Amino acid sequence: DTAVSQTPKYLVTQMGNDKSIKCEQNLGHDTMYWYKQDSKKFLKIMFSYNNKELIINETVPNRFSPKSPDKAHLNLHINSLELGDSAVYFCASSPTRAYRSNYGYTFGSGTRLTVV
Amino acid sequence: TQLLEQSPQFLSIQEGENLTVYCNSSSVFSSLQWYRQEPGEGPVLLVTVVTGGEVKKLKRLTFQFGDARKDSSLHITAAQPGDTGLYLCAGYYGGATNKLIFGTGTLLAVQP
Repeated sequence: DTAVSQTPKYLVTQMGNDKSIKCEQNLGHDTMYWYKQDSKKFLKIMFSYNNKELIINETVPNRFSPKSPDKAHLNLHINSLELGDSAVYFCASSPTRAYRSNYGYTFGSGTRLTVV
Repeated sequence: TQLLEQSPQFLSIQEGENLTVYCNSSSVFSSLQWYRQEPGEGPVLLVTVVTGGEVKKLKRLTFQFGDARKDSSLHITAAQPGDTGLYLCAGYYGGATNKLIFGTGTLLAVQP
């Protein structure tokens, strides 16, 4: 049973299109995240939701819009895709206030987005 | 400027060799975590170090947290091809939101 699952695994699309990536976790965690990993393997946080409430919104173009219908799901919608959006996007989850108890994050296996 | 700098960036060694990966910051972290990421997968937590000077061992992997809680190291003894992967340090940063910030990464290749 996959703890954090993302779909699709691969996404190839043309510039200007709109696409969505879905994420679901079955760990009972209250907090979910989106990270972007660039070609140099650097992982940068984009968004975080806690119990459906947006708590972290990094400097991300507003073409990116996260949506959390419930605490087990966090989707990422991207409008007007650009070449520079090509990257691997990771969803992750953790218990609330993971930093207080030093919990780690559980990551999905990633979605490789290629914009052509 | 990255909050967490790792060195080396790349490391290619022969099976059986020892290696050390470093994670350095100018900021103090309440704890540091180490993750390993394999191709096509997400990072997986290896260990969390909390106390300055703390040393934790996980089989052939030894993790150390600096006394000032600004740096950490990962030492692998007698590396094996199965140790190949991207090693990432990470720390919680940012006051109330406390997001997990990742280091720049060390890509390790262990040749048989």
